[in-house]
Amino acid sequence: GQQVMQIPQYQHVQEGEDFTTYCNSSTTLSNIQWYKQRPGGHPVFLIQLVKSGEVKKQKRLTFQFGEAKKNSSLHITATQTTDVGTYFCAGSHNNNDMRFGAGTRLTVKP
Amino acid sequence: GAGVSQSPSNKVTEKGKDVELRCDPISGHTALYWYRQSLGQGLEFLIYFQGNSAPDKSGLPSDRFSAERTGGSVSTLTIQRTQQEDSAVYLCASSLARATDTQYFGPGTRLTVL
Repeated sequence: GQQVMQIPQYQHVQEGEDFTTYCNSSTTLSNIQWYKQRPGGHPVFLIQLVKSGEVKKQKRLTFQFGEAKKNSSLHITATQTTDVGTYFCAGSHNNNDMRFGAGTRLTVKP
Repeated sequence: GAGVSQSPSNKVTEKGKDVELRCDPISGHTALYWYRQSLGQGLEFLIYFQGNSAPDKSGLPSDRFSAERTGGSVSTLTIQRTQQEDSAVYLCASSLARATDTQYFGPGTRLTVL
C-alpha cells in the first residue's frame, strides 16, 4: 500500500518548549488520524481530520490538514512531561485502508 | 463494553516452535487489524479483516505468519517455526466498520523468541 511519511523520528525538548510532528503523503489522503502511545502502552486515538485545510484543537494540541490533503501536522504548545510518548499519524488514500507513519518519539526534559 | 483484549500478555518460546496469539475485539466491531511493533519502532501492518471480505494479507512478512478470524469476532495470529527476529509486541486493533473508523488497540502480546 501507499506510504505515509512522518518526521522527525525523535524530538527532545525542554519542558515548556513547543513541539511539532509532520505527516506527508505523495498522493491525496481521504482522511488522517492521529494517535498517541505512552511508553509501555498502546496507541490511543486522538483525532481525525477529513476536510481540506481543517484545523482542530484539543487544549494545547493543534492538528492541521493541508489544503491539498497531502500533509498534516500536530503541534503541542508549551510541552509538559505528560506529553511524553510516540505520536503516530495514520492516513487513508482510498477509504479502504489506513496506514500508519513511523511515529515521532517525544521526550520532555523537566 | 470492554475494550480489545489480547492473550497471552507475554509469551516466551524457543526458536522453531509455533505460537498462537489471540485477539478479542470490541463487540460489534467488524474490522480487525494486526500490527507488529519492535522495540522503539513504529507499527508494522500485518493483516486486516473487514466483515466477510477476503482479508488484506499484504503485510504478512513471510508464509510462516497466518491469521484467521472465526465467526467475525475472535482472531488468532499464528507464527510457525518462530525465529529470533519475530520477537516484538504484537498489537491487535478493532474498529466499528470501515477502514477509516477509529482503531481501538489492545494491550498487545510481547513475544520473545529465545
